[in-house]
Amino acid sequence: KAGVTQTPRYLIKTRGQQVTLSCSPISGHRSVSWYQQTPGQGLQFLFEYFSETQRNKGNFPGRFSGRQFSNSRSEMNVSTLELGDSALYLCASSLPETPQVWEQYFGPGTRLTVT
Amino acid sequence: GNSVTQMEGPVTLSEEAFLTINCTYTATGYPSLFWYVQYPGEGLQLLLKATKADDKGSNKGFEATYRKETTSFHLEKGSVQVSDSAVYFCALGWGDYKLSFGAGTTVTVRA
Repeated sequence: KAGVTQTPRYLIKTRGQQVTLSCSPISGHRSVSWYQQTPGQGLQFLFEYFSETQRNKGNFPGRFSGRQFSNSRSEMNVSTLELGDSALYLCASSLPETPQVWEQYFGPGTRLTVT
Repeated sequence: GNSVTQMEGPVTLSEEAFLTINCTYTATGYPSLFWYVQYPGEGLQLLLKATKADDKGSNKGFEATYRKETTSFHLEKGSVQVSDSAVYFCALGWGDYKLSFGAGTTVTVRA
């Protein structure tokens, strides 16, 4: 089975711009989660989607948003970029029911640099 | 809320040494517990898991036992290799649909 894929792998943006990151889950996985990884804050949960619905959201400002499509693929968007948004953004997929939803498989991440 | 506390790193070992990384958790119920590994420039890989008390997860020579009485899930490997150099994360899932991660422990194995 193919793993979780994320595009693009690297992005450089300037402050004030917006960015969209894409994630394709493992075939058969219908839950998609997003995490932000930074050296200072570690791994922080952004949001989780199942069946095109956001079931859980982390403590991030409204500039961070996401969506899921009917084929389970997901995108996240960050508007009005700030320098502090520079991070590795990780997408993970899993089966949607508990406890399997916590057995998450991660993609390689998108490295976002904001200048 | 749910939380995970991992031992501080970095940890530097010689090849064939014994590795232990401590992990303790706080949760209101009976969480699922995981160890993930991250190699430089990559995403997280699921290393092993345990979903109930006394379960032992194992993979690639690594082991961890879910100890409810001590709320712990320590990672061990009997003989490390240079290729085990990576960052290791302990994580738990309980209650909602997210994983809660520890801060990560950087392990460097010298030849």
